[in-house]
Amino acid sequence: GESVGLHLPTLSVQEGDNSIINCAYSNSASDYFIWYKQESGKGPQFIIDIRSNMDKRQGQRVTVLLNKTVKHLSLQIAATQPGDSAVYFCAEKYAGNMLTFGGGTRLMVKP
Amino acid sequence: EAGVTQFPSHSVIEKGQTVTLRCDPISGHDNLYWYRRVMGKEIKFLLHFVKESKQDESGMPNNRFLAERTGGTYSTLKVQPAELEDSGVYFCASSQDLGGGEKLFFGSGTQLSVL
Repeated sequence: GESVGLHLPTLSVQEGDNSIINCAYSNSASDYFIWYKQESGKGPQFIIDIRSNMDKRQGQRVTVLLNKTVKHLSLQIAATQPGDSAVYFCAEKYAGNMLTFGGGTRLMVKP
Repeated sequence: EAGVTQFPSHSVIEKGQTVTLRCDPISGHDNLYWYRRVMGKEIKFLLHFVKESKQDESGMPNNRFLAERTGGTYSTLKVQPAELEDSGVYFCASSQDLGGGEKLFFGSGTQLSVL
């Protein structure tokens, strides 16, 4: 596995608060979006996905919002827990089945 | 169900040497992808296999990289000769089908350090 990058944008939140992680995607033709969570020493793990014909999708404690007008994607985590600390990547899909990843945001949860 | 497994987890080699990374996808997954993350930056696509065929290798950086998937099961990614800029984490992922959207399952990656 790897140690996650040292120079990523970082979001620091208090345990129990809600977190919002933002992502700007590049291609207006992208039709599928996905959020991954990467903990140190592990590979990216699926969190939630959304298709371009939707604006919002909810999972367990997580919500993804898609704003196609400004090409913006966000991940909301409710009642953030220490186990949520990780690097979060958004990814978009276009041109077939190749996922294109964003640069990642580090979420740090303070106890 | 076993996930995507990668071997080795870490590899330290000298510039000019050869390294071979292995990926075993989830059983039954026809799609296998290689990605890499260099210098802690974004995860970048390298190539995509459908069974044993290369569907898309547009992300392969140069001809020092060779990927194979004999028999459509496990895949290898060979770097020969390795250069300093090849250092990073190499991820393998697999998925079951080419639906309108697909969820990739990632392995834990191989951390490659070229000295």
